Amino acid sequence: DQQVKQNSPSLSVQEGRISILNCDYTNSMFDYFLWYKKYPAEGPTFLISISSIKDKNEDGRFTVFLNKSAKHLSLHIVPSQPGDSAVYFCAAIPTSGTYKYIFGTGTRLKVLA
Amino acid sequence: GAVVSQHPSRVICKSGTSVKIECRSLDFQATTMFWYRQFPKQSLMLMATSNEGSKATYEQGVEKDKFLINHASLTLSTLTVTSAHPEDSSFYICSADNRGNIQYFGAGTRLSVL
Repeated sequence: DQQVKQNSPSLSVQEGRISILNCDYTNSMFDYFLWYKKYPAEGPTFLISISSIKDKNEDGRFTVFLNKSAKHLSLHIVPSQPGDSAVYFCAAIPTSGTYKYIFGTGTRLKVLA
Repeated sequence: GAVVSQHPSRVICKSGTSVKIECRSLDFQATTMFWYRQFPKQSLMLMATSNEGSKATYEQGVEKDKFLINHASLTLSTLTVTSAHPEDSSFYICSADNRGNIQYFGAGTRLSVL
């Protein structure tokens, strides 16, 4: 039972354009969401997060949008750069207070030069 | 800041041997550390949550006698894969949280059991 889903396993975007990565969740009892970036054979690196009481958070080229009614969040990267090519995971933290992450299945982003 | 070091990065061992993986928070104290496992082209699956000075909490389906976790200090947690078999071959990653919502991950350990 995958509570956090990333339905697109891969995405290709031209350098300089916008990359939009999507994530859907099925459990309303998540109160914090995060995006991580992962290169092969490395651990994930934190990118950006958003609390469930907000609908947008921006940090430089990265913006995360949260639509609670649709149980959907997205990560926008603009402008996309070749160095952004990696696997992106969304993660959700339940309200149980244990700070456990539930990860999505990941989306491989390839930014074409 | 918030650096997590994980060693070794790669280990190859014979079936039946035990392998220890270390996870250290270098510049912060981590009350809680997490151990994940990732199969090829799949998500990171949480194996256990490790709290300093207490027993680890294992996720459903994870054998606690197979995957021994020790969190002896606020900066070190270890995962020992006991009597490793080829099906234990995987990418193991630890993380530490510095009392917030954000986990900082180690670089991972690629375990290959022959």
